[in-house]
Amino acid sequence: GDSVTQMEGPVTLSEEAFLTINCTYTATGYPSLFWYVQYPGEGLQLLLKATKADDKGSNKGFEATYRKETTSFHLEKGSVQVSDSAVYFCALNTGGFKTIFGAGTRLFVKA
Amino acid sequence: EAGVAQSPRYKIIEKRQSVAFWCNPISGHATLYWYQQILGQGPKLLIQFQNNGVVDDSQLPKDRFSAERLKGVDSTLKIQPAKLEDSAVYLCASSSSGGMNTEAFFGQGTRLTVV
Repeated sequence: GDSVTQMEGPVTLSEEAFLTINCTYTATGYPSLFWYVQYPGEGLQLLLKATKADDKGSNKGFEATYRKETTSFHLEKGSVQVSDSAVYFCALNTGGFKTIFGAGTRLFVKA
Repeated sequence: EAGVAQSPRYKIIEKRQSVAFWCNPISGHATLYWYQQILGQGPKLLIQFQNNGVVDDSQLPKDRFSAERLKGVDSTLKIQPAKLEDSAVYLCASSSSGGMNTEAFFGQGTRLTVV
């Protein structure tokens, strides 16, 4: 069945470091791909999305490119801030009205 | 715009007791989802409504879980009787249409602890 695999956390970085969180997926058809973020004490919120191959989603300095050939959607940010500390979830939707989430990757950013 | 409202925020019950959670989606959103998020895991869809009809409840443990969305607006999720493994955060989300490109908006969740 459809699934999402993310790198295990926690990821601990110093402020201004480069961030990569890996995400790969398995899906029949051509899914839409998403990154959601969950800040401490808050609900999940959409960070960015891409709906077709080679699309790049971007928001708040984060970006991810839909790579069909490697079935990946890695999240990157050039310079992280303490305020980026959160749990990041990769997700997909194949049009069956069901969004499937990865296990989440916790990010800690130290000042 | 008001977000997705859930209550209660926290609930502690003993196993074999019953519990109910309430969700009020964003006004005008036709699609409503209930997810279960066990500690250390991603959210797992329990049930999805389109207006007041069920679209997908394939992962809902129907022997103990039930959900309804009367009048196609707010929704309740019930567990009866609860088991220890039901300890999790229960997330409600809504979206305007439920299509594959549609963003889902999440509430803050209800943290259930079964002791």
